[in-house]
Amino acid sequence: GAVVSQHPSRVICKSGTSVKIECRSLDFQATTMFWYRQFPKQSLMLMATSNEGSKATYEQGVEKDKFLINHASLTLSTLTVTSAHPEDSSFYICSARDSDSGLVYEQFFGPGTRLTVL
Amino acid sequence: ILNVEQSPQSLHVQEGDSTNFTCSFPSSNFYALHWYRWETAKSPEALFVMTLNGDEKKKGRISATLNTKEGYSYLYIKGSQPEDSATYLCASARGSYKLIFGSGTRLLVRP
Repeated sequence: GAVVSQHPSRVICKSGTSVKIECRSLDFQATTMFWYRQFPKQSLMLMATSNEGSKATYEQGVEKDKFLINHASLTLSTLTVTSAHPEDSSFYICSARDSDSGLVYEQFFGPGTRLTVL
Repeated sequence: ILNVEQSPQSLHVQEGDSTNFTCSFPSSNFYALHWYRWETAKSPEALFVMTLNGDEKKKGRISATLNTKEGYSYLYIKGSQPEDSATYLCASARGSYKLIFGSGTRLLVRP
């Protein structure tokens, strides 16, 4: 149980294009999902908290117009990197909280997406 | 301590050795401390969520302790096996679901 998938696992795109990354909770409902980014040799850094049916909450320094988040259902959140540039190349990973779990602190992670912008 | 720090950064041990790593975190506004095990190309796997000072948790050969007053947690692996090779992440939850991660300890267990 508590499986989170992420698609695609790897994407290479040209500078200026937009890239959409999907995060799905496969066997549970998630009212809250989280998007993280990891640069080489650094920690996972929280970018934003995605809430089903409402606007995402972005961390300081993360451009909301650059990283569009949509959480339209209880099992799917998407992150769109708009007009991607080489400095957006990174590892993006999502996590989800089980809405029905009594363990409020648990987060289940997807396998991540490696984005390379040429 | 303002950030979550893990040490050592990497560790090479021989199969059968026992090992341990450290996670230091801010003790103020503490909610929970998470340990994850992350193998390459896979999802980070939750090992432990710890909330109480003095808490000790165990899963097979892996155990963890928590000291919230001084802001540290230890992860122990008894009799390391090659399949234990992974990056071990700790994360502090402060005041909400927001997790602040350390940069991990990369463990390599040689057969």
